[in-house]
Amino acid sequence: AQKVTQAQTEISVVEKEDVTLDCVYETRDTTYYLFWYKQPPSGELVFLIRRNSFDEQNEISGRYSWNFQKSTSSFNFTITASQVVDSAVYFCALSEAPAGNTPLVFGKGTRLSVIA
Amino acid sequence: DGGITQSPKYLFRKEGQNVTLSCEQNLNHDAMYWYRQDPGQGLRLIYYSQIVNDFQKGDIAEGYSVSREKKESFPLTVTSAQKNPTAFYLCASSIPAANYGYTFGSGTRLTVV
Repeated sequence: AQKVTQAQTEISVVEKEDVTLDCVYETRDTTYYLFWYKQPPSGELVFLIRRNSFDEQNEISGRYSWNFQKSTSSFNFTITASQVVDSAVYFCALSEAPAGNTPLVFGKGTRLSVIA
Repeated sequence: DGGITQSPKYLFRKEGQNVTLSCEQNLNHDAMYWYRQDPGQGLRLIYYSQIVNDFQKGDIAEGYSVSREKKESFPLTVTSAQKNPTAFYLCASSIPAANYGYTFGSGTRLTVV
């Protein structure tokens, strides 16, 4: 069965610090997709990244970077030089098929607070 | 602009009453989903629909019902059988192999009074 674990419930950092959010997943499939979403105080989840199981290249998008390691079943998310606007709940999610009609399984989320 | 509209944003229900949450999308997505969010619990799947006139139960379907009569609409009814309905409800939609995953609505916060 699929499972996503985000062990960090809450993290607080001071602005400009780097922070890493951990995500560990379980799946029996060899083909799967991993996601990160951001949920700001407004409530709507915002898509950040999708990564398939055959692509282990790390990705960088501005201050955001993702480290995918199949050997440890992890898909960690790092924010460099954090800002107050990064304060949100971040969810990691897993799908065992192309993320079209198959429901995503979400972790419990990590609440990040960035203090000015 | 295309997107998903959930209404109302806040909803209050008396114990024993049924209540329906609206979810409408104009993205031409085939699949739609309902998730429930409780503090510290993440998002849990209630129901999903891959095509009009068809839907499947998720992990916590008891006490809920849905319909999918139109591609654009996927309303969720919280029935009196749901013992603890106070939560934040999120609707989402998707198309197959979408690189952007799901598109989410802004949610409905339901409170039982």
